[in-house]
Amino acid sequence: GAGVSQSPSNKVTEKGKDVELRCDPISGHTALYWYRQSLGQGLEFLIYFQGNSAPDKSGLPSDRFSAERTGGSVSTLTIQRTQQEDSAVYLCASSGGEVFSNQPQHFGDGTRLSIL
Amino acid sequence: AQSVTQLGSHVSVSEGALVLLRCNYSSSVPPYLFWYVQYPNQGLQLLLKYTTGATLVKGINGFEAEFKKSETSFHLTKPSAHMSDAAEYFCAVSDAGNTPLVFGKGTRLSVIA
Repeated sequence: GAGVSQSPSNKVTEKGKDVELRCDPISGHTALYWYRQSLGQGLEFLIYFQGNSAPDKSGLPSDRFSAERTGGSVSTLTIQRTQQEDSAVYLCASSGGEVFSNQPQHFGDGTRLSIL
Repeated sequence: AQSVTQLGSHVSVSEGALVLLRCNYSSSVPPYLFWYVQYPNQGLQLLLKYTTGATLVKGINGFEAEFKKSETSFHLTKPSAHMSDAAEYFCAVSDAGNTPLVFGKGTRLSVIA
């Protein structure tokens, strides 16, 4: 498709399990972003990639969170030893040009993560 | 650091009435400003953006916003509300392309028939 694709759309898992969330950006977009949207909390910025590089990981909530991007395209966000407070919608976005440029970010529909 | 305040977590208007969603920001440098809309179980869709130039910006679905530097505001308006406008609206700011987008907490718009 032409838009940002995220999978799975929904994920339910038990506390303590690892989860992997996938984002397939718009073709040709070198900038990619991950956000977390919790109920009533707006969007929390997690991490960005320019190409395959993520220069700043300070937005990740804890060391249980990691992200990678290979081939300048697909990105995965991994959460290890999930906790109930990790329950949220995880949104991915991509944009053309340089990261944080005046080009708008295009969002996927998100992955709704529920930790039991 | 930038911040965004959206006044009113929930706004309700009648169909055909004016829509006004308020956004105030703080930024130490000229900002890039954005409005996004989110429908249930979907991602965010760009409505409009201001980066440079004309301060009155027109977007999709009849929405527009005006950048007022003196008031540090970027309020979103639409002359006549339609039922399909019911959604969550987010204002976002970036420091002239040098920092991540910072989003407000959102305003849920309800349209009453």
